Amino acid sequence: DQQVKQNSPSLSVQEGRISILNCDYTNSMFDYFLWYKKYPAEGPTFLISISSIKDKNEDGRFTVFLNKSAKHLSLHIVPSQPGDSAVYFCAASDTSGTYKYIFGTGTRLKVLA
Amino acid sequence: DAGVIQSPRHEVTEMGQEVTLRCKPISGHNSLFWYRQTMMRGLELLIYFNNNVPIDDSGMPEDRFSAKMPNASFSTLKIQPSEPRDSAVYFCASSLGAVYSNQPQHFGDGTRLSIL
Repeated sequence: DQQVKQNSPSLSVQEGRISILNCDYTNSMFDYFLWYKKYPAEGPTFLISISSIKDKNEDGRFTVFLNKSAKHLSLHIVPSQPGDSAVYFCAASDTSGTYKYIFGTGTRLKVLA
Repeated sequence: DAGVIQSPRHEVTEMGQEVTLRCKPISGHNSLFWYRQTMMRGLELLIYFNNNVPIDDSGMPEDRFSAKMPNASFSTLKIQPSEPRDSAVYFCASSLGAVYSNQPQHFGDGTRLSIL
């Protein structure tokens, strides 16, 4: 039973354009969400997070949107750069319960120069 | 700033051997996590320590797996005896804050384990 789903295993985007990565979750108790970026042979690197009291959080070129009614979050990267090519994982946590991060299976983003 | 340091980076050993993975968390972080990443199951939490005390080991797959945190700057994950299905990448992560705090976890670069 996958509580956090990233339905697109891969995505290709032209340099300078917007990249949109999507994530769906099923557990309505999740109230804290994160995005991690992972390069080959390295560990996941924290990118950006959002609490369920917000619907948007922005950090430079990265913006995370949260739609609680749809149980959906997305990561927008604008403008996309070749260095953004990596695997992106979303994670969710129930901070009133088990605190554990439940990770999605990842989306491989390729930004074409 | 030193991040989470894991050793070894790669380990290849034969079935039945004992394997010990090591982790040094970020200085000052009081929460430590061990994860396993496989193609089939993605990234799974194995065990979580807070202030060197194991809080939740429900993700540890079997009694063959054990983890310790003798002090704030060191943790080990041991597999004895190892089996081919234990082959995976094992990550250690640490965070600043207690249980339930919204502090992101910071990951090491992982140990790629291959059991022949």
